[in-house]
Amino acid sequence: GQNIDQPTEMTATEGAIVQINCTYQTSGFNGLFWYQQHAGEAPTFLSYNVLDGLEEKGRFSSFLSRSKGYSYLLLKELQMKDSASYLCAVRSNTNAGKSTFGDGTTLTVKP
Amino acid sequence: DTGVSQDPRHKITKRGQNVTFRCDPISEHNRLYWYRQTLGQGPEFLTYFQNEAQLEKSRLLSDRFSAERPKGSFSTLEIQRTEQGDSAMYLCASSLSAGGETQYFGPGTRLLVL
Repeated sequence: GQNIDQPTEMTATEGAIVQINCTYQTSGFNGLFWYQQHAGEAPTFLSYNVLDGLEEKGRFSSFLSRSKGYSYLLLKELQMKDSASYLCAVRSNTNAGKSTFGDGTTLTVKP
Repeated sequence: DTGVSQDPRHKITKRGQNVTFRCDPISEHNRLYWYRQTLGQGPEFLTYFQNEAQLEKSRLLSDRFSAERPKGSFSTLEIQRTEQGDSAMYLCASSLSAGGETQYFGPGTRLLVL
Protein backbone atom coordinates (compact mmCIF):
# COMPACT_ATOMS: atom_id res chain seq x y z
CA GLY A 1 0.00 0.00 0.00
CA GLN A 2 0.91 3.64 0.02
CA ASN A 3 1.05 6.20 2.82
CA ILE A 4 1.37 9.91 2.11
CA ASP A 5 1.88 12.61 4.73
CA GLN A 6 1.76 16.36 4.33
CA PRO A 7 1.00 19.16 6.78
CA THR A 8 -2.66 20.02 7.13
CA GLU A 9 -2.33 23.79 7.10
CA MET A 10 0.26 26.49 6.43
CA THR A 11 0.15 30.27 6.47
CA ALA A 12 2.49 32.64 4.64
CA THR A 13 2.73 36.29 3.71
CA GLU A 14 2.22 37.75 0.26
CA GLY A 15 5.55 38.05 -1.56
CA ALA A 16 7.26 35.45 0.62
CA ILE A 17 8.47 31.92 -0.14
CA VAL A 18 6.82 28.81 1.26
CA GLN A 19 7.85 25.15 1.16
CA ILE A 20 5.24 22.40 1.44
CA ASN A 21 6.65 19.01 2.33
CA CYS A 22 5.37 15.57 1.43
CA THR A 23 6.68 12.23 2.67
CA TYR A 24 5.55 8.93 1.28
CA GLN A 25 5.92 5.20 1.64
CA THR A 26 5.11 3.10 -1.39
CA SER A 27 5.59 -0.39 -2.75
CA GLY A 28 7.16 0.54 -6.07
CA PHE A 29 7.53 4.23 -6.90
CA ASN A 30 6.70 5.50 -10.37
CA GLY A 31 6.36 9.27 -10.07
CA LEU A 32 5.12 12.02 -7.79
CA PHE A 33 2.67 14.77 -8.71
CA TRP A 34 1.70 18.05 -7.12
CA TYR A 35 -1.75 19.49 -7.75
CA GLN A 36 -3.36 22.77 -6.71
CA GLN A 37 -7.00 22.77 -5.69
CA HIS A 38 -9.02 25.88 -4.96
CA ALA A 39 -12.05 25.48 -2.74
CA GLY A 40 -14.93 23.88 -4.60
CA GLU A 41 -12.90 23.28 -7.73
CA ALA A 42 -11.10 20.32 -9.27
CA PRO A 43 -7.36 19.73 -8.81
CA THR A 44 -5.11 21.26 -11.46
CA PHE A 45 -1.72 19.82 -12.36
CA LEU A 46 1.36 21.70 -11.14
CA SER A 47 4.37 19.41 -11.44
CA TYR A 48 5.66 15.88 -11.95
CA ASN A 49 8.89 14.34 -10.62
CA VAL A 50 10.12 10.85 -11.37
CA LEU A 51 13.88 11.38 -10.96
CA ASP A 52 15.70 12.92 -8.02
CA GLY A 53 16.26 16.64 -8.11
CA LEU A 54 14.54 19.94 -8.63
CA GLU A 55 12.05 20.77 -11.36
CA GLU A 56 11.43 24.48 -11.80
CA LYS A 57 8.42 25.98 -13.51
CA GLY A 58 8.02 29.70 -13.05
CA ARG A 59 7.21 30.59 -9.46
CA PHE A 60 6.72 26.92 -8.57
CA SER A 61 9.45 24.32 -8.08
CA SER A 62 9.22 20.72 -6.96
CA PHE A 63 11.95 18.56 -5.47
CA LEU A 64 12.18 14.80 -5.11
CA SER A 65 14.42 12.46 -3.14
CA ARG A 66 13.42 8.87 -3.85
CA SER A 67 15.82 7.39 -1.29
CA LYS A 68 14.23 9.49 1.46
CA GLY A 69 10.65 9.15 0.21
CA TYR A 70 10.43 12.94 0.29
CA SER A 71 9.26 15.75 -1.92
CA TYR A 72 8.58 19.43 -1.50
CA LEU A 73 6.76 22.09 -3.45
CA LEU A 74 8.33 25.54 -3.32
CA LEU A 75 6.22 28.58 -4.07
CA LYS A 76 8.01 31.88 -4.58
CA GLU A 77 6.72 35.45 -4.68
CA LEU A 78 3.46 34.37 -3.11
CA GLN A 79 0.28 35.95 -4.35
CA MET A 80 -3.13 36.02 -2.72
CA LYS A 81 -4.46 33.75 -5.47
CA ASP A 82 -2.03 31.04 -4.30
CA SER A 83 -4.31 30.43 -1.31
CA ALA A 84 -5.49 26.89 -2.03
CA SER A 85 -4.99 23.26 -1.09
CA TYR A 86 -1.88 21.60 -2.45
CA LEU A 87 -2.11 17.86 -3.04
CA CYS A 88 0.80 15.45 -3.23
CA ALA A 89 0.07 12.27 -5.21
CA VAL A 90 2.25 9.21 -5.71
CA ARG A 91 1.99 6.75 -8.56
CA SER A 92 2.93 3.15 -7.93
CA ASN A 93 4.34 0.90 -10.62
CA THR A 94 2.19 -1.97 -9.35
CA ASN A 95 -1.00 -0.29 -10.57
CA ALA A 96 -0.33 1.35 -13.90
CA GLY A 97 -1.62 4.90 -13.94
CA LYS A 98 -3.22 4.84 -10.50
CA SER A 99 -2.17 7.63 -8.13
CA THR A 100 -2.74 7.81 -4.40
CA PHE A 101 -3.35 11.30 -3.04
CA GLY A 102 -2.44 12.84 0.27
CA ASP A 103 -5.10 14.84 2.11
CA GLY A 104 -3.62 18.14 0.96
CA THR A 105 -2.04 21.15 2.63
CA THR A 106 -4.28 24.19 2.90
CA LEU A 107 -2.16 27.27 2.28
CA THR A 108 -3.42 30.66 3.36
CA VAL A 109 -1.60 33.70 1.96
CA LYS A 110 -2.05 36.85 4.04
CA PRO A 111 -1.37 40.42 2.96
CA ASP B 1 -10.72 24.39 -18.36
CA THR B 2 -8.71 21.16 -18.73
CA GLY B 3 -10.86 19.74 -21.50
CA VAL B 4 -12.48 17.13 -19.23
CA SER B 5 -16.19 17.76 -18.70
CA GLN B 6 -18.62 16.28 -16.20
CA ASP B 7 -22.37 16.37 -16.01
CA PRO B 8 -24.23 17.30 -13.90
CA ARG B 9 -22.17 19.68 -11.82
CA HIS B 10 -24.50 19.35 -8.86
CA LYS B 11 -26.98 16.67 -7.85
CA ILE B 12 -29.33 16.56 -4.88
CA THR B 13 -31.18 13.32 -4.32
CA LYS B 14 -33.09 11.50 -1.65
CA ARG B 15 -31.70 8.48 0.12
CA GLY B 16 -32.50 5.29 -1.76
CA GLN B 17 -32.60 6.87 -5.21
CA ASN B 18 -30.24 5.97 -8.05
CA VAL B 19 -28.00 8.58 -9.65
CA THR B 20 -25.81 8.55 -12.75
CA PHE B 21 -22.93 10.85 -13.58
CA ARG B 22 -21.22 11.35 -16.91
CA CYS B 23 -17.62 12.18 -17.75
CA ASP B 24 -16.24 13.19 -21.14
CA PRO B 25 -12.42 12.94 -21.12
CA ILE B 26 -9.92 14.71 -23.34
CA SER B 27 -10.54 13.06 -26.69
CA GLU B 28 -7.14 11.46 -27.28
CA HIS B 29 -6.75 10.20 -23.71
CA ASN B 30 -7.10 6.44 -23.37
CA ARG B 31 -7.19 6.28 -19.56
CA LEU B 32 -10.08 7.49 -17.46
CA TYR B 33 -10.32 7.56 -13.66
CA TRP B 34 -13.07 8.15 -11.14
CA TYR B 35 -12.30 9.57 -7.69
CA ARG B 36 -14.40 10.59 -4.72
CA GLN B 37 -13.44 13.50 -2.49
CA THR B 38 -14.91 14.65 0.80
CA LEU B 39 -14.13 17.86 2.64
CA GLY B 40 -10.60 17.99 3.99
CA GLN B 41 -9.52 14.81 2.25
CA GLY B 42 -7.60 14.13 -0.91
CA PRO B 43 -9.26 12.40 -3.87
CA GLU B 44 -9.90 8.72 -3.18
CA PHE B 45 -9.50 6.33 -6.10
CA LEU B 46 -12.66 4.49 -7.18
CA THR B 47 -11.93 2.88 -10.53
CA TYR B 48 -10.10 3.29 -13.79
CA PHE B 49 -10.42 2.35 -17.46
CA GLN B 50 -7.96 1.89 -20.23
CA ASN B 51 -9.99 2.38 -23.37
CA GLU B 52 -13.22 0.45 -22.71
CA ALA B 53 -11.71 -2.02 -20.24
CA GLN B 54 -12.22 -1.47 -16.52
CA LEU B 55 -8.81 -2.48 -15.17
CA GLU B 56 -9.16 -1.77 -11.49
CA LYS B 57 -11.88 -1.12 -8.97
CA SER B 58 -11.22 -0.02 -5.40
CA ARG B 59 -11.95 -2.58 -2.72
CA LEU B 60 -13.62 0.26 -0.83
CA LEU B 61 -16.26 0.49 -3.55
CA SER B 62 -19.47 -1.27 -2.67
CA ASP B 63 -21.60 -3.21 -5.12
CA ARG B 64 -23.93 -0.22 -5.32
CA PHE B 65 -21.36 1.54 -7.49
CA SER B 66 -20.84 0.66 -11.13
CA ALA B 67 -18.97 2.36 -13.92
CA GLU B 68 -18.89 1.89 -17.66
CA ARG B 69 -16.97 3.22 -20.61
CA PRO B 70 -18.74 1.43 -23.45
CA LYS B 71 -16.92 2.85 -26.47
CA GLY B 72 -13.70 3.91 -24.82
CA SER B 73 -14.72 7.56 -24.86
CA PHE B 74 -17.18 8.93 -22.28
CA SER B 75 -17.82 7.13 -19.00
CA THR B 76 -20.74 6.88 -16.59
CA LEU B 77 -20.70 6.24 -12.86
CA GLU B 78 -23.92 4.97 -11.32
CA ILE B 79 -24.73 4.80 -7.64
CA GLN B 80 -27.72 2.68 -6.73
CA ARG B 81 -29.76 3.05 -3.54
CA THR B 82 -27.85 6.13 -2.46
CA GLU B 83 -26.96 6.63 1.19
CA GLN B 84 -26.12 9.83 3.04
CA GLY B 85 -22.51 8.69 3.24
CA ASP B 86 -22.31 8.87 -0.54
CA SER B 87 -22.45 12.67 -0.36
CA ALA B 88 -19.16 13.86 -1.84
CA MET B 89 -17.53 15.41 -4.89
CA TYR B 90 -17.10 12.85 -7.66
CA LEU B 91 -14.12 13.67 -9.84
CA CYS B 92 -13.23 12.28 -13.22
CA ALA B 93 -9.73 12.50 -14.66
CA SER B 94 -8.14 11.37 -17.90
CA SER B 95 -4.60 10.72 -19.03
CA LEU B 96 -2.60 9.46 -21.97
CA SER B 97 -0.71 6.32 -21.07
CA ALA B 98 2.27 7.32 -23.19
CA GLY B 99 2.39 10.88 -21.92
CA GLY B 100 3.86 10.73 -18.41
CA GLU B 101 0.50 9.80 -16.93
CA THR B 102 -0.42 13.31 -15.84
CA GLN B 103 -4.08 13.19 -14.95
CA TYR B 104 -6.29 16.10 -15.94
CA PHE B 105 -9.36 16.53 -13.81
CA GLY B 106 -12.86 17.57 -14.72
CA PRO B 107 -14.82 20.10 -12.62
CA GLY B 108 -16.50 17.34 -10.61
CA THR B 109 -20.07 16.46 -9.71
CA ARG B 110 -21.10 17.43 -6.22
CA LEU B 111 -23.61 14.94 -4.81
CA LEU B 112 -25.80 15.63 -1.80
CA VAL B 113 -27.92 12.78 -0.49
CA LEU B 114 -30.71 13.90 1.82
